[in-house]
Amino acid sequence: KQEVTQIPAALSVPEGENLVLNCSFTDSAIYNLQWFRQDPGKGLTSLLLIQSSQREQTSGRLNASLDKSSGRSTLYIAASQPGDSATYLCAALELGKLIFGQGTTLQVKP
Amino acid sequence: DVKVTQSSRYLVKRTGEKVFLECVQDMDHENMFWYRQDPGLGLRLIYFSYDVKMKEKGDIPEGYSVSREKKERFSLILESASTNQTSMYLCASSLGPDRGYTFGSGTRLTVV
Repeated sequence: KQEVTQIPAALSVPEGENLVLNCSFTDSAIYNLQWFRQDPGKGLTSLLLIQSSQREQTSGRLNASLDKSSGRSTLYIAASQPGDSATYLCAALELGKLIFGQGTTLQVKP
Repeated sequence: DVKVTQSSRYLVKRTGEKVFLECVQDMDHENMFWYRQDPGLGLRLIYFSYDVKMKEKGDIPEGYSVSREKKERFSLILESASTNQTSMYLCASSLGPDRGYTFGSGTRLTVV
């Protein structure tokens, strides 16, 4: 059974720092991997989608990578800002269903 | 952009009531999903549908049912609400596996 793990569970950094959020999955037979952002009490906002044939995707200050062979994905956030404070979730698509990690809660301090 | 609309942001219902949570998407997506999100348990799939009139059980279907009479609308039904169904409910839709999922803003349901 596919399991998705995100480490660390929480992270606090000063404004301006570059940071990496980690996501690992146990079964490499995924169709794609999607990163989401969730603000407190709100729904999920899609950040980046990486197909299984791709190695990375970029959007603005965000870059997500995917290494299926090692079962890992990373989300890189450049020059972090207080507005980046949120919970970040990764999810692997397998057999038509998204399987989520528990998330990393990020706090960026001014 | 695709929009997934959940009709209520907050709901308070009494134990034993029949509860309907509505979800509508505006981009002709085939696939729709219902998740619940709880602290420490993350997001768990309740039901999903790949076509009109079609439904499949997810990981935690007990106590729930769904209805998909039209392509754009996917309803989650709590047959007899219980306090352990107090949760954040999230609806999502997808055009296909290579397009990713789009989520609604969620419904915070409290059963008292």
